[in-house]
Amino acid sequence: GAVVSQHPSWVICKSGTSVKIECRSLDFQATTMFWYRQFPKQSLMLMATSNEGSKATYEQGVEKDKFLINHASLTLSTLTVTSAHPEDSSFYICSARDADRIGETQYFGPGTRLLVL
Amino acid sequence: SQQGEEDPQALSIQEGENATMNCSYKTSINNLQWYRQNSGRGLVHLILIRSNEREKHSGRLRVTLDTSKKSSSLLITASRAADTASYFCATLLGYSTLTFGKGTMLLVSP
Repeated sequence: GAVVSQHPSWVICKSGTSVKIECRSLDFQATTMFWYRQFPKQSLMLMATSNEGSKATYEQGVEKDKFLINHASLTLSTLTVTSAHPEDSSFYICSARDADRIGETQYFGPGTRLLVL
Repeated sequence: SQQGEEDPQALSIQEGENATMNCSYKTSINNLQWYRQNSGRGLVHLILIRSNEREKHSGRLRVTLDTSKKSSSLLITASRAADTASYFCATLLGYSTLTFGKGTMLLVSP
């Protein structure tokens, strides 16, 4: 089946630093990738939709200057949390949609746990 | 904003029993999907049911969809301890945005 990987799986950083999270589709091409954030015992909240070769679409309330998204190729999207603060500590999950199967399921990465001290 | 609302929020059962979770949503959908998430892990896709389908089976899973009531149910039969996880319904609006419900935490005791 389709596999999506994320790197790193967890990261601890100091307040004020920037952290980059990678999301890769390993065996399919993904024209669209999605970034979600999940706080403990809560649901996934969509942050932004990342389209290959164009600017990401951010959900209301998500600061695009703080959460930089780059979708440089059909298999890679990156999320950079700039000037991270403790309140950015969360579980970040990406998903990817197979370019050949629009309207069908998304494939989720294993998530990246971010802790900002 | 969240589209799906799962019920119950938490469910505790014994191995061998059946577990039923419900999901309600607000708008028209293309399809509805159920996912499982083990603690601190990513999501695993369980089953997808399209808006023109009423029931679907996959192994020990049975999903129903009632578009007139805007609701779906997930039944796990003969539950196992390994089924312990959080279960989320998610609705696909248009052909892009997948919106998740709040989830049901299922605990299956040996």
